[in-house]
Amino acid sequence: SQQGEEDPQALSIQEGENATMNCSYKTSINNLQWYRQNSGRGLVHLILIRSNEREKHSGRLRVTLDTSKKSSSLLITASRAADTASYFCATMPGGSNYKLTFGKGTLLTVNP
Amino acid sequence: NAGVTQTPKFQVLKTGQSMTLQCAQDMNHNSMYWYRQDPGMGLRLIYYSASEGTTDKGEVPNGYNVSRLNKREFSLRLESAAPSQTSVYFCASSGSGGADGSYEQYFGPGTRLTVT
Repeated sequence: SQQGEEDPQALSIQEGENATMNCSYKTSINNLQWYRQNSGRGLVHLILIRSNEREKHSGRLRVTLDTSKKSSSLLITASRAADTASYFCATMPGGSNYKLTFGKGTLLTVNP
Repeated sequence: NAGVTQTPKFQVLKTGQSMTLQCAQDMNHNSMYWYRQDPGMGLRLIYYSASEGTTDKGEVPNGYNVSRLNKREFSLRLESAAPSQTSVYFCASSGSGGADGSYEQYFGPGTRLTVT
């Protein structure tokens, strides 16, 4: 069963705009991770946020985590055409060091 | 460093045929994973190996077997392929978390399998 569910399923924006994707999950977590997948390729890890963290930054990426609402958001600022990809959140359950459960992803299209 | 490599990249099987998907990593990771990705379903975990010598079932293990050959290699076998196993298969590896917090997974390029 899917743990994380991303919203929206698809998002289309213009270059330079910000893109926000959301992820909701159901059970307690050790950490939450975001991955990117370009069409036809393997997933690439973007950022990890632990359950005791509320916000994390990496370059143009900002991730927030609200454990009381069991939700996370990924913000990509000043988007570029090269950011066009599917974005997945993945949760690692509390007490686990290994298994990730992936959501179904958000397809982001950045138009030049 | 090649990272995670998978062979083959593409495969077409007839129903009932068998095959083994190969995966190798050169990052000295303890943990390895096999996922399948179907349209609109995200990634689903088939089997994983937390460390050399151990394997465990994931969310969708039926119809598959795995072997953790050594620390580097983790293979996935379809004994009698079925059309429902048509999918893209990804192998991944990771550290073991813990004090170094190495929880992120590194993925191979995938194997596109069609069963007719």
